[in-house]
Amino acid sequence: DAGVTQSPTHLIKTRGQQVTLRCSPKSGHDTVSWYQQALGQGPQFIFQYYEEEERQRGNFPDRFSGHQFPNYSSELNVNALLLGDSALYLCASSLETGHYGYTFGSGTRLTVV
Amino acid sequence: GENVEQHPSTLSVQEGDSAVIKCTYSDSASNYFPWYKQELGKGPQLIIDIRSNVGEKKDQRIAVTLNKTAKHFSLHITETQPEDSAVYFCAAINSNYQLIWGAGTKLIIKP
Repeated sequence: DAGVTQSPTHLIKTRGQQVTLRCSPKSGHDTVSWYQQALGQGPQFIFQYYEEEERQRGNFPDRFSGHQFPNYSSELNVNALLLGDSALYLCASSLETGHYGYTFGSGTRLTVV
Repeated sequence: GENVEQHPSTLSVQEGDSAVIKCTYSDSASNYFPWYKQELGKGPQLIIDIRSNVGEKKDQRIAVTLNKTAKHFSLHITETQPEDSAVYFCAAINSNYQLIWGAGTKLIIKP
């Protein structure tokens, strides 16, 4: 049984470009959360998707947007990339009815140059 | 705002000794406290968690204690092994079911 799958694993983008990161949740999970982890820091909550809608949002600008598909997979989009967006982006899946059981993927390492 | 403080930032212990990592949270409504282990190049992996109606939980060499009054919770690893070397994060869940994370502790096990 596959856990949370994220793609790509690494990505290099130029400042001002746009990027899309993808996440497939653990089998049986219906909720996807996205986190940004800067080097040497703990993850920061970006937003959470359930039933194809953004349900919660952390303190991130509108340049960060997302989508959830009917099969529960999700995308994170970042527009107008800044150097400060360089980080590890983590996807976590869970069951809406079991808010506490988060499973994390290995993340996408985004480098903005 | 809500925050979780974690100490120490780096912990070096001799193989076989115990390691203790401490966290303090600010949101008195928090009722779930997970601990994650993150190895290089990997995502965080849940190693143990505790809910607010329990004061202590143990799983083999790992234990977590919670003091709700003081808003403290701690991770205890006994008989440390080289494979315990990693970065450990504590977290607390807020009223919106968002995980608020500590800054992490780099645990180094010396042979």
